[in-house]
Amino acid sequence: QKEVEQDPGPLSVPEGAIVSLNCTYSNSAFQYFMWYRQYSRKGPELLMYTYSSGNKEDGRFTAQVDKSSKYISLFIRDSQPSDSATYLCAMRSGAGSYQLTFGKGTKLSVIP
Amino acid sequence: EAQVTQNPRYLITVTGKKLTVTCSQNMNHEYMSWYRQDPGLGLRQIYYSMNVEVTDKGDVPEGYKVSRKEKRNFPLILESPSPNQTSLYFCASRDVFEKLFFGSGTQLSVL
Repeated sequence: QKEVEQDPGPLSVPEGAIVSLNCTYSNSAFQYFMWYRQYSRKGPELLMYTYSSGNKEDGRFTAQVDKSSKYISLFIRDSQPSDSATYLCAMRSGAGSYQLTFGKGTKLSVIP
Repeated sequence: EAQVTQNPRYLITVTGKKLTVTCSQNMNHEYMSWYRQDPGLGLRQIYYSMNVEVTDKGDVPEGYKVSRKEKRNFPLILESPSPNQTSLYFCASRDVFEKLFFGSGTQLSVL
């Protein structure tokens, strides 16, 4: 079983839809969770960062972590064509660990 | 402007010809790392460095070398490139809040 599983998509939604992107993981040592957005031919950029179970909201984006189920999600409300990108989840274990483990990314297209 | 700069953007080379991909950051970050990104495999860490003269292997270090002689620079060296090193490479640095800043990428083709 891979450490981090992420559905690669592609996922195509109409503008204004609510999008749910998900990752599961097997390593219970993971404590810090991130979502990155990567536009075509660009480097990834950090969207959300969280370290506790529950929800964290930032504008139209909500990151959700369920450590008991080893499951994280990113919700995008009122999706826009500019949200079309590949979304990567990433995680690492506790203090002193510097290695990030990335999911393979989900490619999202928001159709006007 | 705060940024990570890597060069070149595109590189085509032949098997066995040594090459260096440069990476520089202007944010005074201690932590820097290199990743490769391949279809179906995602982002995989090659090497990382926690500070000057401190480097360590990531998940896929074979065939690569790095050095960290100065805080701002972290070059990636391929002593004898092979076709399986054809990939998209990203350099990144990280701030104290765990945010990774990525460069624009280097598309390498080894023939």
